Amino acid sequence: DAGVIQSPRHEVTEMGQEVTLRCKPISGHNSLFWYRQTMMRGLELLIYFNNNVPIDDSGMPEDRFSAKMPNASFSTLKIQPSEPRDSAVYFCASSPGQLYGYTFGSGTRLTVV
Amino acid sequence: RKEVEQDPGPFNVPEGATVAFNCTYSNSASQSFFWYRQDCRKEPKLLMSVYSSGNEDGRFTAQLNRASQYISLLIRDSKLSDSATYLCAVILIGNEKLTFGTGTRLTIIP
Repeated sequence: DAGVIQSPRHEVTEMGQEVTLRCKPISGHNSLFWYRQTMMRGLELLIYFNNNVPIDDSGMPEDRFSAKMPNASFSTLKIQPSEPRDSAVYFCASSPGQLYGYTFGSGTRLTVV
Repeated sequence: RKEVEQDPGPFNVPEGATVAFNCTYSNSASQSFFWYRQDCRKEPKLLMSVYSSGNEDGRFTAQLNRASQYISLLIRDSKLSDSATYLCAVILIGNEKLTFGTGTRLTIIP
């Protein structure tokens, strides 16, 4: 299994631009999670899906952030418009169930200038 | 109060020594517990789950104390390759959200 696959690995964009991060979970995992990690705040859960349905988006910082999961093998996290304070590492993770922990992707390092 | 708290360290420990970390959680409804390891500029990787009876995996031992609401990780005979940040994480009953502590930075010194 290739694990959780995220793209791009790095993204540098100008303030105000739209950014789309992509994630392919492990096949058979029915839960998908988007996290953001910064030095100041650590790992923060933004949103999670179960069977492609958004369950909890209370961690999404504001309306500029949106996430979709159109099918079991693909999810996107979009930021529009991006701001410098969005600079962070964004991780996607998937899980077959809460007893098993999560498997993380390699992350997308986002820099907004 | 944060849901999950850890001493950020850093812990600088000589090779071969034993080191222990604690992690406290605030919600008594927490059900599942994990330790993750994160290397610099890498993703967190599951190190071990923490079971009520405690569990051991080689040089690593994890324990849960529900009464005092903390979990612990013990590393024996530490190796240079153990240098990393160790994150504890908990899941509440009836939930799938994994809440992480901010991590404890460990450096093993030759």
